[in-house]
Amino acid sequence: GAVVSQHPSWVICKSGTSVKIECRSLDFQATTMFWYRQFPKQSLMLMATSNEGSKATYEQGVEKDKFLINHASLTLSTLTVTSAHPEDSSFYICSARASDIYGYTFGSGTRLTVV
Amino acid sequence: GESVGLHLPTLSVQEGDNSIINCAYSNSASDYFIWYKQESGKGPQFIIDIRSNMDKRQGQRVTVLLNKTVKHLSLQIAATQPGDSAVYFCAETSGYSTLTFGKGTMLLVSP
Repeated sequence: GAVVSQHPSWVICKSGTSVKIECRSLDFQATTMFWYRQFPKQSLMLMATSNEGSKATYEQGVEKDKFLINHASLTLSTLTVTSAHPEDSSFYICSARASDIYGYTFGSGTRLTVV
Repeated sequence: GESVGLHLPTLSVQEGDNSIINCAYSNSASDYFIWYKQESGKGPQFIIDIRSNMDKRQGQRVTVLLNKTVKHLSLQIAATQPGDSAVYFCAETSGYSTLTFGKGTMLLVSP
């Protein structure tokens, strides 16, 4: 079945630094990838949608300059949290979809803690 | 988007019972629905899906019911096991675009 690998699974960084999270589709080509954010005991909130080779589409209220998304290949998308602050601490989850698979496959998530 | 409280609705059942988790969706144009299971610290795991041209679909120990008239989705888990304990989310999409997740329900199964 479709597998999505997300790394790192957890990261701790200092305020003001940047953190990159990778999302890879291992056995299929992901034409579209999605990035979500989840706070404790809450649902997944979509941050942005990225299509391979084009700019990401951000949801309302999500700062594109703070959350940089790159989808340079059909198997890799990255989310970079720039100048991280403690309020950016959250669980970030990616999802990938292939054009010929009617389904969405999720990564295992990244726990970001900014201190 | 809708506001989400700090406490997930919780369903507590005994092992062996049948569980029913409900979800109300908002977009009448949604044509594809998915139930996910999320364990603590992990990403969502696909359970079962249903398209809008169906009202029932069965899997192994799970059944999804769709009532488009009242925009309601339910997940039935037969013979619930402790390993079923997790948070369950429904998700909807229209035209196979972005997924919108429901609030989630925590299922606690006691041995």
